[in-house]
Amino acid sequence: ETGVTQSPTHLIKTRGQQVTLRCSSQSGHNTVSWYQQALGQGPQFIFQYYREEENGRGNFPPRFSGLQFPNYSSELNVNALELDDSALYLCASSFSASSQETQYFGPGTRLLVL
Amino acid sequence: KQEVTQIPAALSVPEGENLVLNCSFTDSAIYNLQWFRQDPGKGLTSLLLIQSSQREQTSGRLNASLDKSSGRSTLYIAASQPGDSATYLCAVRRSDYKLSFGAGTTVTVRA
Repeated sequence: ETGVTQSPTHLIKTRGQQVTLRCSSQSGHNTVSWYQQALGQGPQFIFQYYREEENGRGNFPPRFSGLQFPNYSSELNVNALELDDSALYLCASSFSASSQETQYFGPGTRLLVL
Repeated sequence: KQEVTQIPAALSVPEGENLVLNCSFTDSAIYNLQWFRQDPGKGLTSLLLIQSSQREQTSGRLNASLDKSSGRSTLYIAASQPGDSATYLCAVRRSDYKLSFGAGTTVTVRA
């Protein structure tokens, strides 16, 4: 059984550019959540996808968007990058969208915006 | 809005000492609470998940308690080792879909 994987591991972009981050969920999991973790802070919820539909969203602007594919892998897209978008982006998968399920996190993608 | 606080922000102990990490949350209407470990620049590793109906969970040297009515959870790590050095995060899950995290406690265990 493979765990949650994310790509790329590191990324450097300039302000105003667009970025796509990718996540492969753990085998058998149909729910993916994305979190942003700034340095020294706890992760902040961006959104969740369940069976290819957005299931909930945190307090992030519309330039943060996502997709989930039929194999339950997911993408996070960020347009018009700002300096404050520099953070570790974490993806988490779970067996279902049930609140009882444990979320399993990937290793993250470190994004630096210059 | 759910606020999660972890005190202290950092902790340094000699090897062998027991660790006590605290987590408090403002809204007691939670489904569960989860403790995670994070090594520098890495993702999160789930340590323990306590459902709202439970009072504690144990795994090896780790024990976590939950007092929903007072909005508190405590993570105990017995006989600490240098390999326990990491940041420990607690997260609560309400009746919706997201985890709300504290900022974490960074632990250093000195050999």
